[in-house]
Amino acid sequence: EDQVTQSPEALRLQEGESSSLNCSYTVSGLRGLFWYRQDPGKGPEFLFTLYSAGEEKEKERLKATLTKKESFLHITAPKPEDSATYLCAVQFYSGGYQKVTFGTGTKLQVIP
Amino acid sequence: DAGVIQSPRHEVTEMGQEVTLRCKPISGHDYLFWYRQTMMRGLELLIYFNNNVPIDDSGMPEDRFSAKMPNASFSTLKIQPSEPRDSAVYFCASSAVAGSGYNEQFFGPGTRLTVL
Repeated sequence: EDQVTQSPEALRLQEGESSSLNCSYTVSGLRGLFWYRQDPGKGPEFLFTLYSAGEEKEKERLKATLTKKESFLHITAPKPEDSATYLCAVQFYSGGYQKVTFGTGTKLQVIP
Repeated sequence: DAGVIQSPRHEVTEMGQEVTLRCKPISGHDYLFWYRQTMMRGLELLIYFNNNVPIDDSGMPEDRFSAKMPNASFSTLKIQPSEPRDSAVYFCASSAVAGSGYNEQFFGPGTRLTVL
C-alpha cells in the first residue's frame, strides 16, 4: 500500500535550536516529493520539490533532502515565524495516471 | 494573480441539506484538485481534473459527493445530503502542466464546513 509517514507529529524548539523533520514513503513510480508549509486557517503553501535521491534544495533556514525511502526537512537556527505545520506530499504514477498522497504533517512550534 | 479563490469561506448547515462549494483556479492552470482536511485523517485528495475532465475520483467518499468543472475557471463540489461527519475544511488547489503531469499545487484559503 502506498503510504507517507511524517515524524514527529509535533516538535517544540527554542529559537536558534536546529532540528530535522522526517517524511518516509513507500510508493512505486515516484514522480516527486513536495514540502509544504501550512499556517493556521490557511491553505498549504509550496516550499520545495525533490525528484531524485541525493537531491537537495535550500531556502533561507530550510533545507530539504531526499533518499530512496525518505526525505528530511532541516531547519537551521529557527525563528518564531517558522512556527507552522509542515506537510510532505508524494506524487507517483498508479493505474496509468498521476496520484498524490499527503502525510499528516509535523506541527512545529518555535519559542522565543 | 489573485490566487485560487474559494467560496464560501465558512458554511454552517443542517444535516440533510445540500451544500455547494465553489472554486476559481489560477488562470492558465490546467489541473484542479479538491481536498478535505480533518484532524483525524489529514489532507485527503477527493478528485482532480485535467482540462476540465475528471481524472481520478477514487477519493470521493460516497455517492453523496459530486464535483463538476464546467469550464477552465470554475469548479464546484456538492454534498447532497450532508451529514455531520462531512464537517471539515475543504481545499481547492490548482497546478500548471509539467511534462506529462503536474508539479507543485497552489491552494486556496479553504471552506470550513460545519454540518449540525
